[in-house]
Amino acid sequence: EVQLLESGGGLVQPGGSLRLSCVTSGFNFGFSFSNYAMSWVRQAPGKGLEWVATIRADSGSTYYADSVKGRFTISRDNSKNTLYLQMSSLRAEDTAVFYCVKEIGGYIGSPFDYWGQGTLVTVSS
Amino acid sequence: QTVVTQEPSFSVSPGGTVTLTCGFSSASVSTTHCPSWYQQTPGQAPRTLIYNTNIRTSGVPDRFSGSILGNKAALTITGAQADDESDYYCVLYMGVGIWVFGGGTKLSVL
Repeated sequence: EVQLLESGGGLVQPGGSLRLSCVTSGFNFGFSFSNYAMSWVRQAPGKGLEWVATIRADSGSTYYADSVKGRFTISRDNSKNTLYLQMSSLRAEDTAVFYCVKEIGGYIGSPFDYWGQGTLVTVSS
Repeated sequence: QTVVTQEPSFSVSPGGTVTLTCGFSSASVSTTHCPSWYQQTPGQAPRTLIYNTNIRTSGVPDRFSGSILGNKAALTITGAQADDESDYYCVLYMGVGIWVFGGGTKLSVL
């Protein structure tokens, strides 16, 4: 079964930067990480889910929520089966658990299926 | 900014049927919004139940079903069980790579 393992979360001061990683494994039936679009979804403490960013399977296109546009960058290394989220100019309201999410297909607009366990980012002085 | 609405809370008796909805304040949800539904228990990651309106992911019991009801997406749980007590989120695709989650419904089974 597909597994997603996030890392890189932690405590960071306002205005600081952090890079999250998501290592994936368990692909089968002739498919691999490079076949799927991937996303980041976050959840602030006690709040609901918020879509953050998506990257197409071939890294050709990326999309961002307005709340993070210009501050966050989603990327992937298909040779390492790894998804990244580079976050800069962090604000207190970015405090959340960040989930790595695999999509069902490689195209933009492909629904989410597998979720990682999440990594907590806390922005505080 | 697009807002996707869900009932904040709902309750159902064990063995009963409940329908949760997901919609817009002034527009209709259709299959082109690719509605999906997720279940989340406290401290756990979300679990995908339904995608593309009515397709269950592997391992999801068939007592969970998705549909379009009127102008909203709907998740129906038939024969509710105690371990269905969870938060349920929907998400809608707005096009151009943009997804918007609903605020979630806290379902109680009692």
